[in-house]
Amino acid sequence: DGGITQSPKYLFRKEGQNVTLSCEQNLNHDAMYWYRQDPGQGLRLIYYSQIVNDFQKGDIAEGYSVSREKKESFPLTVTSAQKNPTAFYLCASSASPGQPQHFGDGTRLSIL
Amino acid sequence: DQQVKQNSPSLSVQEGRISILNCDYTNSMFDYFLWYKKYPAEGPTFLISISSIKDKNEDGRFTVFLNKSAKHLSLHIVPSQPGDSAVYFCAASGAGGSYIPTFGRGTSLIVHP
Repeated sequence: DGGITQSPKYLFRKEGQNVTLSCEQNLNHDAMYWYRQDPGQGLRLIYYSQIVNDFQKGDIAEGYSVSREKKESFPLTVTSAQKNPTAFYLCASSASPGQPQHFGDGTRLSIL
Repeated sequence: DQQVKQNSPSLSVQEGRISILNCDYTNSMFDYFLWYKKYPAEGPTFLISISSIKDKNEDGRFTVFLNKSAKHLSLHIVPSQPGDSAVYFCAASGAGGSYIPTFGRGTSLIVHP
């Protein structure tokens, strides 16, 4: 069954720690994306990747980093430089940047 | 500066009636528009899209209308069902050659039985 898997569903981070959110897809999609959703807000783009070994910053990339070493995987690291990391994080993929996106079920990150 | 605006945070409709969700955009270079539906604790799912060369696209109970001169689109759901209760996001892409969508803040639809 094809889709996008995000793990974990809930994640807690201590102040000053880096934490990595996992995103795996088996849809054979070239493009992958990370979004952040805050209450009452739309989806804001953090990073995106159109092809393996290449990625670009989105609108709110500060305090985040990504890698795209494999087509199926696009992990997001929330670094200690991100001052307000508590949010719902969504990963998505699409066959190409112009196609509708498929989303994972998200990871909710909270600060202890 | 929001380029895609959904000015109604919520909408309440009776089962069987029409639901109309609205979306306005400011960038006239957008040429592709999408609607996504999101249930709590899940990711959004793609619902329907429309290209700027059309003014209407229909898929079953869902119809999207595009008014380019007004920079306005709307999603009509007829008839509305309780299972349609969700948050609906409008998105637009194509401005500046970028096909990364810009999302609105969403409208929460509640369909009462």
